[in-house]
Amino acid sequence: GAVVSQHPSWVICKSGTSVKIECRSLDFQATTMFWYRQFPKQSLMLMATSNEGSKATYEQGVEKDKFLINHASLTLSTLTVTSAHPEDSSFYICSARDRGRGDTQYFGPGTRLTVL
Amino acid sequence: AQKVTQAQTEISVVEKEDVTLDCVYETRDTTYYLFWYKQPPSGELVFLIRRNSFDEQNEISGRYSWNFQKSTSSFNFTITASQVVDSAVYFCALSETLNSGGSNYKLTFGKGTLLTVNP
Repeated sequence: GAVVSQHPSWVICKSGTSVKIECRSLDFQATTMFWYRQFPKQSLMLMATSNEGSKATYEQGVEKDKFLINHASLTLSTLTVTSAHPEDSSFYICSARDRGRGDTQYFGPGTRLTVL
Repeated sequence: AQKVTQAQTEISVVEKEDVTLDCVYETRDTTYYLFWYKQPPSGELVFLIRRNSFDEQNEISGRYSWNFQKSTSSFNFTITASQVVDSAVYFCALSETLNSGGSNYKLTFGKGTLLTVNP
């Protein structure tokens, strides 16, 4: 149980294009999902908290117009990187909070974004 | 502000050795949760354990054991008889409650410890 999927697992795009990443909780409902960014050999940096049916809460320094988050259902949250540039290249990881398992966050496998 | 310190950046051991990964945390919350996650080279974070602040009992799961010492704000993780498959980055994390209702726990991660188990 407690499986979270992410799609795509990797994506390469040209500078200026937008990329959408999906995060799904497969066997539980997640009222809250989180989006993280991880640079090589570094820890996870929380970008935003996504709540089903409401606006996401962004961490300080994260551009909300750049990283659009939508949490339209209890099992799906999406992160759209708009007008991507090479500096947006990173490993993006989502997690979903399972209230049935003590509010533990379960993580997706991550999406590696490379912007050329 | 909450803080998690994993002082060991990298540890290298030989297979079958025991290894302990240290985690020290800071929080003003009276109720909080501590976690350990494993990140193998594939990148996916694997949940290992969750411990609440009121439960100081140590826990053992197979070759894994955890020592929670509230008095020293530490939550250390020991792998007994390490194996090559244990090679990964291990993260300790502390939850933070975002509102008075105690919902929407946000995790503060340590910087991680890279464990390499050599055959």
